[in-house]
Amino acid sequence: AQSVTQLDSHVSVSEGTPVLLRCNYSSSYSPSLFWYVQHPNKGLQLLLKYTSAATLVKGINGFEAEFKKSETSFHLTKPSAHMSDAAEYFCVVTLNTGGFKTIFGAGTRLFVKA
Amino acid sequence: DAGVIQSPRHEVTEMGQEVTLRCKPISGHNSLFWYRQTMMRGLELLIYFNNNVPIDDSGMPEDRFSAKMPNASFSTLKIQPSEPRDSAVYFCASRQTTNPGGSVTGELFFGEGSRLTVL
Repeated sequence: AQSVTQLDSHVSVSEGTPVLLRCNYSSSYSPSLFWYVQHPNKGLQLLLKYTSAATLVKGINGFEAEFKKSETSFHLTKPSAHMSDAAEYFCVVTLNTGGFKTIFGAGTRLFVKA
Repeated sequence: DAGVIQSPRHEVTEMGQEVTLRCKPISGHNSLFWYRQTMMRGLELLIYFNNNVPIDDSGMPEDRFSAKMPNASFSTLKIQPSEPRDSAVYFCASRQTTNPGGSVTGELFFGEGSRLTVL
């Protein structure tokens, strides 16, 4: 069965410290992987995507993620958190199963303390 | 590109009233999705269309909900009659999805959402 697991429902960091949001997936197909960010009262915005090219993917606002097939992980990182990074983050998997099936993680809310 | 456009952004209505939410996908995208987001249940897929045809409506809560896509540039989600438990943010998203074996990435583009409050 295909699934996406975001290991933390909430993450709290201090401004200027690193951010790590964890995501694991389970799939028998080769996935495309995405991270989306949702700020309060806004829609979901694409941060970055992996589509079988380079395993280290750089996104907007200084975020990056590394696809590790052996660990079935796609963790999101940022070296230094900013107050404006406080938001909800969704890890998403899309599988080409003959159509395209999209599976969302439950989301991780990031809090950034001054 | 204007992105995915949803209307209305906010709707407050009374129980029993009909609600119609509208979505204009990105031009050239051939898949359209309706999602519902609540604090309790998170993000739920209600229905999606490929080439204007409903493919999977298993997420539609009940017969009070219906969705149409009369052409490639417009879709509606209707709730009749509405109930307080339908209060949520409804998102529309679109994607360019080709036939199997195509090279598209499967990336979804979301609208800003329609916040529905049913009193």
